[in-house]
Amino acid sequence: GAVVSQHPSWVICKSGTSVKIECRSLDFQATTMFWYRQFPKQSLMLMATSNEGSKATYEQGVEKDKFLINHASLTLSTLTVTSAHPEDSSFYICSASAWGQGPYEQYFGPGTRLTVT
Amino acid sequence: QKEVEQDPGPLSVPEGAIVSLNCTYSNSAFQYFMWYRQYSRKGPELLMYTYSSGNKEDGRFTAQVDKSSKYISLFIRDSQPSDSATYLCAMSDWGAQKLVFGQGTRLTINP
Repeated sequence: GAVVSQHPSWVICKSGTSVKIECRSLDFQATTMFWYRQFPKQSLMLMATSNEGSKATYEQGVEKDKFLINHASLTLSTLTVTSAHPEDSSFYICSASAWGQGPYEQYFGPGTRLTVT
Repeated sequence: QKEVEQDPGPLSVPEGAIVSLNCTYSNSAFQYFMWYRQYSRKGPELLMYTYSSGNKEDGRFTAQVDKSSKYISLFIRDSQPSDSATYLCAMSDWGAQKLVFGQGTRLTINP
């Protein structure tokens, strides 16, 4: 149980275009989803937290107009990188948790590698 | 100063060795301490978690938390080549869901 999927696993896009990444909880209702960014050989940096049906809460320094997060259902959250640039190239990972679960019960997706050319 | 500090390594040891991975932190409000394993280009998977201070053992893995020193450790006994991965510590305070990660230590177990 507690499986989280991401799609696509790898995407290449041209500079200036937008790309959408999906995060799905396959076997539980995810009331909260998190989006992380990870640069090579670096740690996971939290970008934003989204609760189902509410606006996402962004971490300091993360541009909300550039990284659009939607959490419209209990099984799906999307991250849209708008007007992508090469510096947005990174590994994006989502995680999901259900209501009342502890911080250790945050289940991670396999990640999406974004390359902007 | 980062909230969580972790030696990025890389760390390379022979098969069968005991591995010690460590993190220090500055936020005394942290109550939950997690260790994740991440294989290349994959998402992290939870290995162990500890609440507050103390030790916890699960098979070949032992997690230790010393809140007085703000220091946590993960020990791997009888290390195997399949243990080769990046190990991340993560922490959270009471009632919060946000995780603060260390930088991750790249570990290689040589056959």
